[in-house]
This record gives sequence, structure tokens and C-alpha cells, in this order.
Amino acid sequence: DTEVTQTPKHLVMGMTNKKSLKCEQHMGHRAMYWYKQKAKKPPELMFVYSYEKLSINESVPSRFSPECPNSSLLNLHLHALQPEDSALYLCASSQEQGDGNEKLFFGSGTQLSVL
Amino acid sequence: AQSVTQLGSHVSVSEGALVLLRCNYSSSVPPYLFWYVQYPNQGLQLLLKYTTGATLVKGINGFEAEFKKSETSFHLTKPSAHMSDAAEYFCAVSSGQGGKLIFGQGTELSVKP
Repeated sequence: DTEVTQTPKHLVMGMTNKKSLKCEQHMGHRAMYWYKQKAKKPPELMFVYSYEKLSINESVPSRFSPECPNSSLLNLHLHALQPEDSALYLCASSQEQGDGNEKLFFGSGTQLSVL
Repeated sequence: AQSVTQLGSHVSVSEGALVLLRCNYSSSVPPYLFWYVQYPNQGLQLLLKYTTGATLVKGINGFEAEFKKSETSFHLTKPSAHMSDAAEYFCAVSSGQGGKLIFGQGTELSVKP
């Protein structure tokens, strides 16, 4: 199984809602990532977890709250988002968080619309 | 700081023609370089990567790239385009922090029948 599975595929939420994005992998990878991709733009790193511990937080606003409950799961909790947060949210994993040459496996993403 | 520049936001080729997607990088240290492909409504998939060693890197789906230090380039080529190659292609360089990739702006490849 070389898949990274993200749910839901699409999400529409209001600015006062609380929702969560989920990501799952069963490749035994110990590093997991959240990337954000605006339309027609490249992905931008948000968070990195290594061995279930937060390793990198790219100064993401606190309305985005990541969680890694175990080595297979990664969540992104959303609260009080703004319309400009509408984007494709991509989860990825790699065997380990190495020195930068690791191969990332990406999920298909959650397309988020904030109204 | 590391960066990449992809020349051409859109490239169009005929089926069977050579594909050439250009990428130039800037890095203060020997770089790790990657090409990823993104099909519509999909995540990214690694085509190939350069770490050290052989400068000609072969990837999946018939793609290859050559690392040229003197030109700070890592262009992606495929001898014969197929309709299924139509997608967005991203060149990326590692920031030095594990998992943090610096992506270029992307090149959309169209393949005409």
C-alpha cells in the first residue's frame, strides 16, 4: 500500500465553523506533512511531524491546529477560518524526516472553500 | 537561500514531440533537486530526484533530467510526449530542512494530438 488517503475530498465551511481534515498512511512512514496549495500556485509547507512530534511550524496562524495521534494518522483542525484560507490542503508522508533528500508521497488533497 | 525558477508557465507540444521543461536553481550548498508532477485534482507524484552522483537522472514514465552545476540547471526531458503527460510539473529544491521543499511556480504541459 503506497497511498496517502485524505478525507474529505471537498469541504465547504463558514467562518465560524470548526472542522477537521484527516490524513492516513499505512506505509510505516514516520514523517508526515501538511502543505497548502492555492489555485495555480506551488504547494507551501505548513507543518512537519516527525515520530509524532511537531518538528516544523512555518508560522501558520493558530486557526490551523495540527495533531498527530499516532504514526499513521495526521489531522488538521480548522477554526474561525478566513475566505483567503480557501485552498487545496495536501498531506504527505516520507519514511523519515531526513536531510532533505526524502521522497514525499502525497495524498490527493482536500479542496477547502471558506464562505 | 535556496530557490528555483521554472522558465515558462505553459508549454505546449504535439504528441510524439520532445518535451523540455526548464528549471534553474539557486543554492548555497550542493542541492537536492526534484521534479514532481500533478495531474488535475490530484496530489503530487515524484518523477525523479537528484542527490549526488550521476548527473543524468532517470525517472518514471520515460522522463529524465540532467544536473548541470555550471549552468545551475536541472531541466526535465522526455523524448516523445504522450497525451497522458498533460499535467502541471513542479521543480523543487530542498531547503535543507527535512521535508521542506521550495517549489518553482510550475509549468503546465499541454499535449496536442
